[in-house]
Amino acid sequence: QVQLQESGPGLVRPSQTLSLTCTVSGGSISSGDHYWSWIRQPPGKDLEWIGYIHYSGNIHYNPSLESRVTILLDMSNNQFSLKLSSVTAADTAVYHCARESSYYDSSGFHHYYYYMDVWGKGTTVAVSS
Amino acid sequence: DIQMTQYPSSLSASIGDRVTITCRASQGISSYLAWFQQKPGKAPKSLIYAASTLQSGVPSRFSGSGSGTDFTLTISSLQPEDFATYYCQQYNSYPISFGQGTRLEIK
Repeated sequence: QVQLQESGPGLVRPSQTLSLTCTVSGGSISSGDHYWSWIRQPPGKDLEWIGYIHYSGNIHYNPSLESRVTILLDMSNNQFSLKLSSVTAADTAVYHCARESSYYDSSGFHHYYYYMDVWGKGTTVAVSS
Repeated sequence: DIQMTQYPSSLSASIGDRVTITCRASQGISSYLAWFQQKPGKAPKSLIYAASTLQSGVPSRFSGSGSGTDFTLTISSLQPEDFATYYCQQYNSYPISFGQGTRLEIK
């Protein structure tokens, strides 16, 4: 059973770079069937998808964060990471990593649309001086 | 970007009740809609994908329906472990977007 676990500093200073790591156990991030994603939820606000990475190097970021976000794969450690630069208080949130998967329907048709089927429990990051 | 509107934002119900949560997309998303459950301090749990397909291991009291812009999640007979927050998520197009969540509380 695949499990994801986020790790990283719980406090980041304004204007600095937030760095988090997601460790994947029970499965390989080099599987071609999945995307590896980051999602966040600021206190009292909606969930926001940040971006995904595929082992092939294919990356897609949310345009709202694209100028500040980098997602990387570390296949040797079965991890992927998030870097968010120039943070402000608005970046205070619970950050989740997740696996996105495609699927076959009952007729055997492969839907190349990816939903989040496995999540990490999340880690709280506060941006404050 | 596709906006997801979920309602109600909160719901009080009793053990054994049937409850329905609704999610509406700002444009058609075919059946590319998922539902998940979140409890405090726990990893969100996938319940349904493709609008109506139950994730492996999820009890059959959970069901989903809809296509296009309007979707529902139904719990046929509430159990104590079902009290949680529920979210819908569209994955028809990026950026993926989520509903605002429905907090299901014990009456």
